[in-house]
Amino acid sequence: DAKTTQPTSMDCAEGRAANLPCNHSTISGNEYVYWYRQIHSQGPQYIIHGLKNNETNEMASLIITEDRKSSTLILPHATLRDTAVYYCIVTLYSGAGSYQLTFGKGTKLSVIP
Amino acid sequence: NAGVTQTPKFRVLKTGQSMTLLCAQDMNHEYMYWYRQDPGMGLRLIHYSVGEGTTAKGEVPDGYNVSRLKKQNFLLGLESAAPSQTSVYFCASSWRNNEQFFGPGTRLTVL
Repeated sequence: DAKTTQPTSMDCAEGRAANLPCNHSTISGNEYVYWYRQIHSQGPQYIIHGLKNNETNEMASLIITEDRKSSTLILPHATLRDTAVYYCIVTLYSGAGSYQLTFGKGTKLSVIP
Repeated sequence: NAGVTQTPKFRVLKTGQSMTLLCAQDMNHEYMYWYRQDPGMGLRLIHYSVGEGTTAKGEVPDGYNVSRLKKQNFLLGLESAAPSQTSVYFCASSWRNNEQFFGPGTRLTVL
C-alpha cells in the first residue's frame, strides 16, 4: 500500500470549514483513499472514501487531485464533536484478504469554540 | 442492532497468563479484524478473517491466535501474556471490502 503523509495537528474555529490535507505521492492506479477518524479513545469511525472523483456524503467531502498524489478531507461546518484524530489511508479495494487498513499517526484536529 | 461489541472492556493480566478476547457482530459481515493500538500510535492489524472457519495473519501476529468458528464471532487469544502486549485492542467487521465498523475496544494491561 502507498504511504501517506499528514500534518501532526491542526486547529479549526467552530462553524468554519476544516480542511485536512493528505499526501500519497506513490499511490497506484487501483488504490483507494479512505478517511477514518477516532474520537478520544473510541474505535475508529469511517468517514468517506474515493478513487479519483471527488466524493461527498453527509459527513464530509473528499477532494482528490487530478494526479491523485494528494487529497483533502473537508468538514464543511466543524463542531466541537469533530475534535478527533483523522486518518488518511490508501489501500487496495479488491480480492479476498487484500483490504487491510494501515493506520499512520493521523492528524489531531482540535475544533476551537 | 448492537453493531460490534467486545468483551471484556478492561483486563489486567500477570505475565504468563492466558486470556481470550471476544468480538461479536450482528450485521452479518463476512470480514472481521483484530487491531492493537499503542499509546500515540495508529492501529496495527493483528489477524483477520474473510469468512467463517478462515483466518489470516496481519502485520503483527506474533504472540496471538484467533478463531472464527461462527460467522458472528471472532476470538483473539493470548496464550502467554507479555508486558509488550499491553495495549488497546479493537475489533472490526466489514461486508467484503467495504467500510470497517469498529468496536469500543478492550484495554489490556499485562504486569
